[in-house]
Amino acid sequence: AQSVAQPEDQVNVAEGNPLTVKCTYSVSGNPYLFWYVQYPNRGLQFLLKYITGDNLVKGSYGFEAEFNKSQTSFHLKKPSALVSDSALYFCAVRDMLRGAAGNKLTFGGGTRVLVKP
Amino acid sequence: KAGVTQTPRYLIKTRGQQVTLSCSPISGHRSVSWYQQTPGQGLQFLFEYFSETQRNKGNFPGRFSGRQFSNSRSEMNVSTLELGDSALYLCASSLSDSETQYFGPGTRLTVL
Repeated sequence: AQSVAQPEDQVNVAEGNPLTVKCTYSVSGNPYLFWYVQYPNRGLQFLLKYITGDNLVKGSYGFEAEFNKSQTSFHLKKPSALVSDSALYFCAVRDMLRGAAGNKLTFGGGTRVLVKP
Repeated sequence: KAGVTQTPRYLIKTRGQQVTLSCSPISGHRSVSWYQQTPGQGLQFLFEYFSETQRNKGNFPGRFSGRQFSNSRSEMNVSTLELGDSALYLCASSLSDSETQYFGPGTRLTVL
């Protein structure tokens, strides 16, 4: 079974400061990992993904994430946060266990980010 | 390219009724997945369709069903609605298994 944990319900950061949103995962096979962002009354917007290759993944709007296999983590980062980054962030995993068909994503509980001016 | 569209955006129903939600994927995408989002349970996988076949199903009662048409459009149906079915229902489409899922704006269902 696959699972995702986002240990922080909320992260508060001052505008201009670095932003980190934590995510750890558990899968049986190799993981495909994703970050999505959700603004109020909207669907989920794709930020970035890790499938294979470089452990540092760069995505939209200046976000990046670092894949760490030994710590089973995929933390989202942004060097300088903006007030407009205030939103709900979700980490998700797709277990690429051999023979597993389908496209099921398992999501973490979400982390609310509040960037203060 | 147009994104994923979902209709209707808002629905209000009463207990015992049934409801049908519609999702049109991004052009060329053959995989359509449905998720339920609630404050208490978060985002939960409902089911996934690929080329008109259900490939995966989440842990939801049989009242929740879906289908996919030959043009990849998908519908989900919830029968005998319960108060706990109030949620944001999200549809996502992707080209294939390893590709990114892109989400629609969702349908907010309120059951009274």
